[in-house]
Amino acid sequence: QQQVKQSPQSLIVQKGGIPIINCAYENTAFDYFPWYQQFPGKGPALLIAIRPDVSEKKEGRFTISFNKSAKQFSLHIMDSQPGDSATYFCAAGGKLIFGQGTELSVKP
Amino acid sequence: NAGVMQNPRHLVRRRGQEARLRCSPMKGHSHVYWYRQLPEEGLKFMVYLQKENIIDESGMPKERFSAEFPKEGPSILRIQQVVRGDSAAYFCASSPTPDQNTEAFFGQGTRLTVV
Repeated sequence: QQQVKQSPQSLIVQKGGIPIINCAYENTAFDYFPWYQQFPGKGPALLIAIRPDVSEKKEGRFTISFNKSAKQFSLHIMDSQPGDSATYFCAAGGKLIFGQGTELSVKP
Repeated sequence: NAGVMQNPRHLVRRRGQEARLRCSPMKGHSHVYWYRQLPEEGLKFMVYLQKENIIDESGMPKERFSAEFPKEGPSILRIQQVVRGDSAAYFCASSPTPDQNTEAFFGQGTRLTVV
C-alpha cells in the first residue's frame, strides 16, 4: 500500500496559534517521514523529518509527533506567524509518497 | 552552490506537440526523482533515475511519457503528443544517495500549459 492520507485540507489559525496537520500511512516498510513547505510558484522545501525509532522531533517552532503503532504522524507549528502561511505536505518513504497537502493560513 | 535547476520555468505547448523538461541536479547528486503536481493537489511520484538507469518508473503513464538521465547533462522528462490533461507543474528532486532518511532537494518546477 503506497498511500499517505493527510488532513485537514485547509486550516486557518490566528497568529500565535498552534496548527496541527495529521498524516496516516499504510506501508510499514516506510522508514522516513519528512514534512515539506511550499509557497505559491515555488518548489517544496524540507522543513523537518523523522525516522520511526523516535516519537518526537523538534526543530525551532516545528515539531513532528510520530506514532508507529497507529501509523500516523503529525506536524505542530508553535507560535505560528503570518509568514508560515503556505501549503504543507507530509511524505513517506525513500521515493517520497506525498499526502494531498494542507493549505495553512495564519491570520495577523 | 547551485540548487536543483529546472528549465524552462514555464512552457506552453499546443495539443499534439512534444514537451521536454530539463533538470540539473545539485552538484554531487546522482539520483533524480520527477513528480507531477496538478492544481490543488499533492505531488505524485513519476520516476526515479540514477545516471543512465531508470530505477523505478511505477508512477509514469504507460504512453507518451519517458525520462532519461544520461551520463553527461541534465535529466530529461519528455512528453510526446501532449494533451490538455498534461497541464501541471513538474518538479524534480535530487539526492546524493538512494537511501531513505536522505534529504531530497527540489527544483522550482516547470509549469506546463497545453493549449
